[in-house]
Amino acid sequence: AQSVTQPDIHITVSEGASLELRCNYSYGATPYLFWYVQSPGQGLQLLLKYFSGDTLVQGIKGFEAEFKRSQSSFNLRKPSVHWSDAAEYFCAVGLYSSASKIIFGSGTRLSIRP
Amino acid sequence: GAVVSQHPSRVICKSGTSVKIECRSLDFQATTMFWYRQFPKKSLMLMATSNEGSKATYEQGVEKDKFLINHASLTLSTLTVTSAHPEDSSFYICSADLDRGSEAFFGQGTRLTVV
Repeated sequence: AQSVTQPDIHITVSEGASLELRCNYSYGATPYLFWYVQSPGQGLQLLLKYFSGDTLVQGIKGFEAEFKRSQSSFNLRKPSVHWSDAAEYFCAVGLYSSASKIIFGSGTRLSIRP
Repeated sequence: GAVVSQHPSRVICKSGTSVKIECRSLDFQATTMFWYRQFPKKSLMLMATSNEGSKATYEQGVEKDKFLINHASLTLSTLTVTSAHPEDSSFYICSADLDRGSEAFFGQGTRLTVV
């Protein structure tokens, strides 16, 4: 069965520091992969997605993610975080090669230390 | 970009009553929409797939008689929580499929509180 694992429940980084959020997936074929961000009480915003091609994907707000098939990973990175990046981040995979029917990881809450 | 609107954003209802949540695709037609539920500090759980003009497909463990889904037009899907109980309190989010599984756009969510 397809699944997504985010091993870190909560991460705190200092403002200006680099960030990496981990994501591992389980899927037989090439997956459709996503990272979403959710601010408290809000809906979801798509940061970036990977369907095929270049394994390093650029997204909005300075985020990027790298698809590594050998490690079944799709980690999210940002070279320098801002206080406004504090939020919940969800890694997700499209079910049955769909980009719209999505299952989500458990999420990683990011806190920013001033 | 494609916009999906959910209404209401917040609703409080009494136990035993039913509440309807609307999900609209504002600038595109969506033959398929999805409903998710998010418990506090938890991830989003896919509840069901809503197909225009046909019955919804529910995920395992989701009570279809409790969570009624209707997708009567290409721009509107509704989720009705019937005979609501406090344990139904949650954040419900819908998404709409832009074009045959190419991308999903999410609504802003509905906070349901059952008292």
